[in-house]
Amino acid sequence: EPEVTQTPSHQVTQMGQEVILRCVPISNHLYFYWYRQILGQKVEFLVSFYNNEISEKSEIFDDQFSVERPDGSNFTLKIRSTKLEDSAMYFCASSGNTRFYGYTFGSGTRLTVV
Amino acid sequence: AQTVTQSQPEMSVQEAETVTLSCTYDTSESDYYLFWYKQPPSRQMILVIRQEAYKQQNATENRFSVNFQKAAKSFSLKISDSQLGDAAMYFCAYSPPRGSGGGADGLTFGKGTHLIIQP
Repeated sequence: EPEVTQTPSHQVTQMGQEVILRCVPISNHLYFYWYRQILGQKVEFLVSFYNNEISEKSEIFDDQFSVERPDGSNFTLKIRSTKLEDSAMYFCASSGNTRFYGYTFGSGTRLTVV
Repeated sequence: AQTVTQSQPEMSVQEAETVTLSCTYDTSESDYYLFWYKQPPSRQMILVIRQEAYKQQNATENRFSVNFQKAAKSFSLKISDSQLGDAAMYFCAYSPPRGSGGGADGLTFGKGTHLIIQP
């Protein structure tokens, strides 16, 4: 069964450093997403990406965040200057042309900012 | 904005028994999608079951079924013959209607219900 692959599974970074989280969505999917889950809390939408541009972003997705699909297969989330409160699980997801079949999530990257 | 409410932070059920997890949502749309996701300790998000709002028939996937009450904006998940492997966080999620940009808009999740299976 096709998978969404995320790397790394766990990243520890110092406050103020830049991090890049990587995702390889399912190859024939067209829509890509990043979600965040702070420990013990609900999953929150960050951004959606379609046709090489951002379709929608939440208020969480401020100027510190950016997304990119640099090479047609990878989909990255960059946090420019990490803060302690950025510590969370970050999930990448992708979906096909119809939302009925749901969104396929990756296994997540646990980001710890120290 | 859409909201999804899961009023049960934690539920416990005996192995082989049936348990129902509740979910209510708020939307002004008439067509949309609803999902239940399972998150085991590994924290992977696994799709359990899905429902289209314009379909009256309740979705069923093996031991998992939903009770979709559109007028009441309720979407509960029933797990029959509970198994130890069902222990996880369960999240109810809402997706915007078709035609609002294809898959462009994100899922709105509830806060989750922690399901404990007693052996």
